[in-house]
Amino acid sequence: AQKVTQAQTEISVVEKEDVTLDCVYETRDTTYYLFWYKQPPSGELVFLIRRNSFDEQNEISGRYSWNFQKSTSSFNFTITASQVVDSAVYFCALLNTGKLIFGQGTTLQVKP
Amino acid sequence: DTAVSQTPKYLVTQMGNDKSIKCEQNLGHDTMYWYKQDSKKFLKIMFSYNNKELIINETVPNRFSPKSPDKAHLNLHINSLELGDSAVYFCASSQWVMGIDTGELFFGEGSRLTVL
Repeated sequence: AQKVTQAQTEISVVEKEDVTLDCVYETRDTTYYLFWYKQPPSGELVFLIRRNSFDEQNEISGRYSWNFQKSTSSFNFTITASQVVDSAVYFCALLNTGKLIFGQGTTLQVKP
Repeated sequence: DTAVSQTPKYLVTQMGNDKSIKCEQNLGHDTMYWYKQDSKKFLKIMFSYNNKELIINETVPNRFSPKSPDKAHLNLHINSLELGDSAVYFCASSQWVMGIDTGELFFGEGSRLTVL
């Protein structure tokens, strides 16, 4: 079965703290794609990153970084020096036969 | 210019009514989708069209009927609305490259449907 689990329902941090959002996935496919999307309070869904299963290199984009580990089926997302504007719901997702299967989402609240 | 636009943004209606949500994308993408987000924020695919052809139809009640007049438009019509249909409906589009879905979805702003 294809499944994405985000065990953290809500996380609250104070500005400038680092925070890691966990994502664990299940798939029988040998080739697959993983994603992170952000949903700010305004409601739209914003694509953050796509990672294919053959590329286990970690990726950094500004304050955002992603750690992909096939051995533990995890694709975690770290925000360094968090800011209030990072407050949002973050979704991890797995692409399977043309369908994005989303995790339950993690609500991140960054307090000033 | 909004890449994926859906109208209306808000819909409040009575049980039993019929309603439609329209979606248009100006990205030149081949594939369009409808996703439903429930009150717990859970996102689930409903339908997917590739070049006007239905390619994904999840176990959605047949009261929901998508229609794609061309590859830039994907509308959703819902008959006999029920309380459980209350949700935010997102339209999205993506580009396939060499027959493979990139999975990079561009979402509309969502249409919040409230059934009373």
